[in-house]
Amino acid sequence: GAVVSQHPSRVICKSGTSVKIECRSLDFQATTMFWYRQFPKQSLMLMATSNEGSKATYEQGVEKDKFLINHASLTLSTLTVTSAHPEDSSFYICSARVAGGANTGELFFGEGSRLTVL
Amino acid sequence: AQSVTQLDSHVSVSEGTPVLLRCNYSSSYSPSLFWYVQHPNKGLQLLLKYTSAATLVKGINGFEAEFKKSETSFHLTKPSAHMSDAAEYFCVVSDRNQAGTALIFGKGTTLSVSS
Repeated sequence: GAVVSQHPSRVICKSGTSVKIECRSLDFQATTMFWYRQFPKQSLMLMATSNEGSKATYEQGVEKDKFLINHASLTLSTLTVTSAHPEDSSFYICSARVAGGANTGELFFGEGSRLTVL
Repeated sequence: AQSVTQLDSHVSVSEGTPVLLRCNYSSSYSPSLFWYVQHPNKGLQLLLKYTSAATLVKGINGFEAEFKKSETSFHLTKPSAHMSDAAEYFCVVSDRNQAGTALIFGKGTTLSVSS
């Protein structure tokens, strides 16, 4: 199946710094990528939908100035957590849909990135 | 709007006994339904998917699920649990008629398997 790679898998940073997480589709093109956040022992909550070449669409309650999303190419989307604070500590997971494929709704998920803000 | 309800937050079984994880969905259109598994601190792995073909779907690791439109259910089953099946399971719905719609996750069911 299609492979989605996230980097870094784990990052620890000081409060007030910014952290960038990359999401790459390795063997397919993805016009749409999705960013999810998962708190410990909870489900995945959709943060935003990232469309190649256009602005991301954020879910209600997600601060777009806090979580900057860029989808500059058909294989790369980035999430930047700006001025991170301890409450931003979480597991962030990206997913992608194959561009031009049958719209079965299936997404392919990255391995996730665990952010810890001290 | 679509939604999914996982009826049990935690299921405990003994190794070798059957597994049943329950899921009900709500969707305005013909849904695609999925079950994903997540092991601790790991990403998500697709177990199986229903996309309007056969209503009984077979997935990896011996899991299967049956789409029942009349009951709006998509329960996940396995005849005989293994210790390695212990993980978090998510029932997920997507609206196939709206391209670009993200997947909506249930709250998850934690499966524990005892020896």
